[in-house]
Amino acid sequence: DIQMTQSPSSLSASVGDRVTITCRASQGISNYLAWYQQKPGKVPKLLIYAASTLQSGVPSRFSGSGSGTDFTLTISSLQPEDVATYYCQKYNSALWTFGQGTKVEIK
Amino acid sequence: EVQLVESGGGLVQPGGSLKLSCAASGFTFSGSAMHWVRQASGKGLEWVGRIRSKANSYATAYAASVKGRFTISRDDSKNTAYLQMNSLKTEDTAVYYCTRHGGVHPMDVWGQGTTVTVSS
Repeated sequence: DIQMTQSPSSLSASVGDRVTITCRASQGISNYLAWYQQKPGKVPKLLIYAASTLQSGVPSRFSGSGSGTDFTLTISSLQPEDVATYYCQKYNSALWTFGQGTKVEIK
Repeated sequence: EVQLVESGGGLVQPGGSLKLSCAASGFTFSGSAMHWVRQASGKGLEWVGRIRSKANSYATAYAASVKGRFTISRDDSKNTAYLQMNSLKTEDTAVYYCTRHGGVHPMDVWGQGTTVTVSS
């Protein structure tokens, strides 16, 4: 099975900072990569699919890039409402897998 | 409004069974693949499995951790997906979410979740 590894596991940044989260697949998955945001106590929300396509309604400060095995989620200017855990997910085959999550906090 | 509503969670003893339901509304349920995802308290998201549409032969797939114990089914006439869970273990304790695979959008709609607790 393809494993998805995110880094870092957690980070703390200041409001306005640029934040980057990485996700690595153990095998190539083309661009079948999604990112989800889960705020504390809430249901996960789709942010980005196809590695770089922003889901409707998601603020433009979120962006995704990558293909094959290496992917990134970038928040261009961190806002207080972005405090959440972010998960990558691969969906290139019958078996879908999430990364372990990255917890983002405000410094 | 596009909506998914799970039900059927509860307390069950190890080795027992439970069947979760996911009622869909506001979209063409019969054309959508449906997934189940779970999350243990304080832990990350774990994909459980999925069922595709009739056009894709209702094909199912499962995570290794539940294969052979869990079964996903659907009733398109009722706009409902199901997760039958047998031989439950304490490690199956989690909030269970159903989600929709909407065309090119993976998991774009989520239910509010239903809690399953496996304990003696």
